[in-house]
Amino acid sequence: ILNVEQSPQSLHVQEGDSTNFTCSFPSSNFYALHWYRWETAKSPEALFVMTLNGDEKKKGRISATLNTKEGYSYLYIKGSQPEDSATYLCAFIRSGGSNYKLTFGKGTLLTVNP
Amino acid sequence: DGGITQSPKYLFRKEGQNVTLSCEQNLNHDAMYWYRQDPGQGLRLIYYSQIVNDFQKGDIAEGYSVSREKKESFPLTVTSAQKNPTAFYLCASSIDATGFLETQYFGPGTRLLVL
Repeated sequence: ILNVEQSPQSLHVQEGDSTNFTCSFPSSNFYALHWYRWETAKSPEALFVMTLNGDEKKKGRISATLNTKEGYSYLYIKGSQPEDSATYLCAFIRSGGSNYKLTFGKGTLLTVNP
Repeated sequence: DGGITQSPKYLFRKEGQNVTLSCEQNLNHDAMYWYRQDPGQGLRLIYYSQIVNDFQKGDIAEGYSVSREKKESFPLTVTSAQKNPTAFYLCASSIDATGFLETQYFGPGTRLLVL
């Protein structure tokens, strides 16, 4: 059973604060890592797919880094806005075998207070 | 508008009854997936299909069945053998037919409740 851990479980910040949270995954047999944002009453939407150690991706005020050797990825949000309030999910893919699939963490629930 | 639709939004199942959750996509994606979400848990893969007329079991396939007769449709049947079906079900699709590297696009979900 693959363990994908996300921390913290939930986070409250004030509008304008910058914040970050972590996704930890097994460091062996890494294939790819996905980040998704899931707003309440909406569908999860993709943020990033990361494949290379040292990868850094950016989308507006949101960025992510990847360390496959130590098995973690950070998601950063600069200058949080209320519309950033959502659950942020990471999902890990392990290489090897014929059954590639996403293993999701439980998510980090971010609440941005105006 | 391109996207994934799931119906119904809420579904009630009686004991011993099979129910089918609909998932349709007009994105021309080859791969489709079904996930289940329970409180306090991550999304778990039930079944996936990489091409028409082919599908594979995920981590928690017991008590579920699927079909993939058309590229745009991937219905999930929750059978009476599924002893704890109350959950939120998400359908997703992706362009890639060879693996899980591509971004997945999700539907709005169906909440299944047992009466």
